[in-house]
Amino acid sequence: NAGVTQTPKFRVLKTGQSMTLLCAQDMNHEYMYWYRQDPGMGLRLIHYSVGEGTTAKGEVPDGYNVSRLKKQNFLLGLESAAPSQTSVYFCASRPAGRAPYEQYFGPGTRLTVT
Amino acid sequence: DQQVKQNSPSLSVQEGRISILNCDYTNSMFDYFLWYKKYPAEGPTFLISISSIKDKNEDGRFTVFLNKSAKHLSLHIVPSQPGDSAVYFCAASTRRGSQGNLIFGKGTKLSVKP
Repeated sequence: NAGVTQTPKFRVLKTGQSMTLLCAQDMNHEYMYWYRQDPGMGLRLIHYSVGEGTTAKGEVPDGYNVSRLKKQNFLLGLESAAPSQTSVYFCASRPAGRAPYEQYFGPGTRLTVT
Repeated sequence: DQQVKQNSPSLSVQEGRISILNCDYTNSMFDYFLWYKKYPAEGPTFLISISSIKDKNEDGRFTVFLNKSAKHLSLHIVPSQPGDSAVYFCAASTRRGSQGNLIFGKGTKLSVKP
């Protein structure tokens, strides 16, 4: 099992460019999440999905869109990148209905917007 | 308003001694608490959890204590080892309303010196 994988690992964008981050999990998990981590800010939830075809906003959704067309994939899109979106992005997944709701994280994508 | 607070950004401990990482929370609806460990350039990994109906949970060198009346939990690592040097995140969840989403603290960077 690869667990949770993220593509790409690093990316540099210019302001206004768009890109899509891909998250894939092979654990058949129902729930998937996108977080961003900034220095001194911990992990903040951007969007999440409780199943294929469903998405919901988290704490910091502005400037991002997501799609969950297949159960194993969760895509995070930036339509017009801004320097404030420079961050490390983590994807996570978990099975449904199992407390304590432990999430399994990918290795992260480091994004720099210049 | 931060619901999960880790007030110490960093902690330095000598190898073999006890490390105590603290976490405070404000939402009395939280019913599970988790600790994650994160090495540089990797995703967070689950370490240990505790249900709100317990006051202690132990797993090898790691013990989490929960004081519900004080809305405080702590992670004890005994004995500390250099490989424990990492950032530790406290997280909390509730089954009510948020579908088990995790709320993370900002993290505490632990350095264990040989």
